[in-house]
Amino acid sequence: AQTVTQSQPEMSVQEAETVTLSCTYDTSESDYYLFWYKQPPSRQMILVIRQEAYKQQNATENRFSVNFQKAAKSFSLKISDSQLGDAAMYFCAYRSRENAGGTSYGKLTFGQGTILTVHP
Amino acid sequence: DVKVTQSSRYLVKRTGEKVFLECVQDMDHENMFWYRQDPGLGLRLIYFSYDVKMKEKGDIPEGYSVSREKKERFSLILESASTNQTSMYLCASRPMGGIPYEQYFGPGTRLTVT
Repeated sequence: AQTVTQSQPEMSVQEAETVTLSCTYDTSESDYYLFWYKQPPSRQMILVIRQEAYKQQNATENRFSVNFQKAAKSFSLKISDSQLGDAAMYFCAYRSRENAGGTSYGKLTFGQGTILTVHP
Repeated sequence: DVKVTQSSRYLVKRTGEKVFLECVQDMDHENMFWYRQDPGLGLRLIYFSYDVKMKEKGDIPEGYSVSREKKERFSLILESASTNQTSMYLCASRPMGGIPYEQYFGPGTRLTVT
């Protein structure tokens, strides 16, 4: 079974600064997907960024980027130019690559979450 | 836009009551999921369904059951609610064989069992 660990229960950053959220995972699979989800106070989960394990290039979405270290099983999220609207709970998640029979069904395994506070 | 709705944002029930949490999605998705969210534990999968009347246990199914009589609706049932089932419950859906990434979430139901 896969496990995902977020060792930082809380993080804080000044507006316009950069912050990095950590995530490690454990798996015996060689091909999979990794995600960062954001959950603001509204509770609506929002997909921030995704990474395919077979891609060596780190994913980037505007101010959000990841540092994917496959051998180390590490998947950190960097938020640049932090904004007040970035304040939320952030979850790291793992999904097996769907096999030919489709039996993984897209199940996600989540980490414990990191609460990010942004100070003006 | 994909929409996943949950019947209640907040729910208060008494110990021993039978509780139904309803989830409806409007995008004809095959796969639907129920997660439980607790502080320090993240989201944990309770049950999921990959087709009408088809279901599989997730990581923490004890004390829960599910029902999927129609494709768009996935219900989570607490047969006899207990205080340790006080939690946030999130429903999600995704298409089978579509873009392999997205799982669309509902707004969550915060359930308190007293």
